[in-house]
Amino acid sequence: EAGVAQSPRYKIIEKRQSVAFWCNPISGHATLYWYQQILGQGPKLLIQFQNNGVVDDSQLPKDRFSAERLKGVDSTLKIQPAKLEDSAVYLCASSVTSGSSYEQYFGPGTRLTVT
Amino acid sequence: AQKVTQAQTEISVVEKEDVTLDCVYETRDTTYYLFWYKQPPSGELVFLIRRNSFDEQNEISGRYSWNFQKSTSSFNFTITASQVVDSAVYFCALSEEDYGGATNKLIFGTGTLLAVQP
Repeated sequence: EAGVAQSPRYKIIEKRQSVAFWCNPISGHATLYWYQQILGQGPKLLIQFQNNGVVDDSQLPKDRFSAERLKGVDSTLKIQPAKLEDSAVYLCASSVTSGSSYEQYFGPGTRLTVT
Repeated sequence: AQKVTQAQTEISVVEKEDVTLDCVYETRDTTYYLFWYKQPPSGELVFLIRRNSFDEQNEISGRYSWNFQKSTSSFNFTITASQVVDSAVYFCALSEEDYGGATNKLIFGTGTLLAVQP
């Protein structure tokens, strides 16, 4: 079974530029998560989708971050414009459905460096 | 409020030593789940274990064991006879039960970097 796929793996941009990350979850998984992991910290949830609807985006900085999952499968996370403090690893995860009894499977992440 | 504390930032041991990683959590819910994940240098988070708040039985899986104590709000992880391949960052996480579609986000601790020297 293929795992969670993410691209690109690495991205370097200058501040005020835009960037987009892509995630393809495990086939059949209804729930998709985007986490932000700043160096030296644990991952923090940015947004959770159930199919193509948003369950939780309370910690997403909506003035610069946006995410979509139009067909309920793959998802895109965008930052526009980027700030230095956005440098982090962006992790995508998926689970069969929402609910704490379902394991979240993580992708390899996209490491973003903002200069 | 939910919170996970991993007080040990870094631990260094020599191969074949036993090592325990501490995890203390805070939650107001009576139903919750606790997790341990491993993050090797490659960066991908690898699921190790999930326990729910009603199951305080300790669990052993090969060289790994977990001790869950609700009385002290702790969920500690022990590696027996450590190996170099165990070197990684280990995260403890908490998730509260969701009711009818609410978020089941993972609240992570800051992680413990384990270095196993040959």
